[in-house]
Amino acid sequence: AQSVTQPDIHITVSEGASLELRCNYSYGATPYLFWYVQSPGQGLQLLLKYFSGDTLVQGIKGFEAEFKRSQSSFNLRKPSVHWSDAAEYFCAVGPGFQKLVFGTGTRLLVSP
Amino acid sequence: ETGVTQTPRHLVMGMTNKKSLKCEQHLGHNAMYWYKQSAKKPLELMFVYNFKEQTENNSVPSRFSPECPNSSHLFLHLHTLQPEDSALYLCASSQGLMDTGELFFGEGSRLTVL
Repeated sequence: AQSVTQPDIHITVSEGASLELRCNYSYGATPYLFWYVQSPGQGLQLLLKYFSGDTLVQGIKGFEAEFKRSQSSFNLRKPSVHWSDAAEYFCAVGPGFQKLVFGTGTRLLVSP
Repeated sequence: ETGVTQTPRHLVMGMTNKKSLKCEQHLGHNAMYWYKQSAKKPLELMFVYNFKEQTENNSVPSRFSPECPNSSHLFLHLHTLQPEDSALYLCASSQGLMDTGELFFGEGSRLTVL
């Protein structure tokens, strides 16, 4: 069965600084890979997804992620963080939506 | 209305009550899902419906009873719940089970069991 690890529970970044959130997964084949963001009291919003093709994926709000098969990773990056990016970020992996497995999330705090 | 709508947004119930959560999607999708989100735990998939048929029951206790009358509506009937069932219940939908689209989530129903 697939699994997802988000090793950082909390990350604090200064506004304007770069961001990288880590996601490692375990899966036998090339999975569907997603990053979702959740603001307090809200549902999850898709930031970006990877199914196949170019391993560098662009998403909304200036986010990007890179699929590295050799490292079983799908890290999320943003060159310059804004205060509005403070939220919880979830990585998800699976062979399809029916078997999607989510990580425990990384809470991003943005300091002024 | 657009997207995935969940009602009620907040629900407080006693252990002997019976209540229901409702989810409606306006996206023309064929698959709908119930997830449970508890503090400090990963999102847990509970049920999956595709074209109104249940395709996944992730060993959910029988005190949770889903119903999918059509592809646009999904209910979660609750009865004799336990305090540990307090959580955010998220509904989601997708066009299919394995397409290259995305899973759209509602804003959730926050359930508190006293």
